Amino acid sequence: DTGVSQNPRHKITKRGQNVTFRCDPISEHNRLYWYRQTLGQGPEFLTYFQNEAQLEKSRLLSDRFSAERPKGSFSTLEIQRTEQGDSAMYLCASSQYRAGDYEKLFFGSGTQLSVL
Amino acid sequence: AQTVTQSQPEMSVQEAETVTLSCTYDTSESDYYLFWYKQPPSRQMILVIRQEAYKQQNATENRFSVNFQKAAKSFSLKISDSQLGDAAMYFCAYYGGSQGNLIFGKGTKLSVKP
Repeated sequence: DTGVSQNPRHKITKRGQNVTFRCDPISEHNRLYWYRQTLGQGPEFLTYFQNEAQLEKSRLLSDRFSAERPKGSFSTLEIQRTEQGDSAMYLCASSQYRAGDYEKLFFGSGTQLSVL
Repeated sequence: AQTVTQSQPEMSVQEAETVTLSCTYDTSESDYYLFWYKQPPSRQMILVIRQEAYKQQNATENRFSVNFQKAAKSFSLKISDSQLGDAAMYFCAYYGGSQGNLIFGKGTKLSVKP
């Protein structure tokens, strides 16, 4: 499978617990994105990396959220002290960015988080 | 800030018929890209079609085509010969050169009736 892989597919946690999600992008892709999608809404941008550098973070990304891409390959998204409002689908996407060209993003199947 | 608006929360079409999904956007940039993504119940976003703003010719991909009106900032998707497998959420998305991410609309849920 050469697509974007996300684990776990589903996560149920209690309010106040920490959770971590993992995303493995397509191997040659240099950019990796995290989006959050709630029911009935389009995906909302959270953050993205070019190689290992985190280039942009949305205001949606509170201090409880942290993302890393330590070696420019896989990425993790951690949510500390989860709240019920964090319940959503967390989507990862990757692309091979070239300046002056459009980006074709390839999405994973997401991690569905439910905070009880 | 750029915004994307999809004014049709739900649409329905008879199998083999044609349906058009609407999208408008707001931007001050001259160079950008527009996309339509499909999200089936599996939740994986699939790229359907893209349009470069500098191209006047409307993009087509098999049964899918767009009507791109740059001055009106309108970008509609036409699905011809609708099939049961076309049933899904459809999201319009904008990508501009000054930002590093896609901006999505709220989506249109398309139902296909046999």
